[in-house]
Amino acid sequence: DAKTTQPTSMDCAEGRAANLPCNHSTISGNEYVYWYRQIHSQGPQYIIHGLKNNETNEMASLIITEDRKSSTLILPHATLRDTAVYYCIADNTGNQFYFGTGTSLTVIP
Amino acid sequence: GAVVSQHPSWVICKSGTSVKIECRSLDFQATTMFWYRQFPKQSLMLMATSNEGSKATYEQGVEKDKFLINHASLTLSTLTVTSAHPEDSSFYICSARDQGTHSPLHFGNGTRLTVT
Repeated sequence: DAKTTQPTSMDCAEGRAANLPCNHSTISGNEYVYWYRQIHSQGPQYIIHGLKNNETNEMASLIITEDRKSSTLILPHATLRDTAVYYCIADNTGNQFYFGTGTSLTVIP
Repeated sequence: GAVVSQHPSWVICKSGTSVKIECRSLDFQATTMFWYRQFPKQSLMLMATSNEGSKATYEQGVEKDKFLINHASLTLSTLTVTSAHPEDSSFYICSARDQGTHSPLHFGNGTRLTVT
């Protein structure tokens, strides 16, 4: 699996868009990018994933650069309940995921 | 959507005893499940891959005789922490994948183990 790097922490004002970056410069052509978040003392929650096209679902949007070396998770209107640790994972095995350190997002009222 | 259920959500046990944690896929079958461990303020660390009907595959540094994994059916995997010690106190999380090679992993809500 390609290594991913994310900022350790970020703040976002409530109601504004939260843009969480992820660098995966060594990603291979068949590796997908997955995003999860973990609220304190809970299991990780799946958010979104993609290969090369931008993706959107009811939770978020995923923007993947054309060279696929980085991606951005966008929470369009952050709420206090979006405060969590967000993990970006690149994987092609379809099996186990290895988690990095993630980004601790704090949504500020 | 795919749901993974974990039980118990928390457990306290005495040093030297064994604890069993169950992980169930509620609305799908999972030939493979994954067990993670998470210490406070750290990320999730993969412990082992649980394979239905065969032996689990353990990550380097994880003692297979201490963390017994059984995957007897397509919807149930169990992790038994044997002869638990205080340093085994942690947050244990299981996950499984619904059909499809690149479908996402779905995670249980974790089990908080405290060994006294």
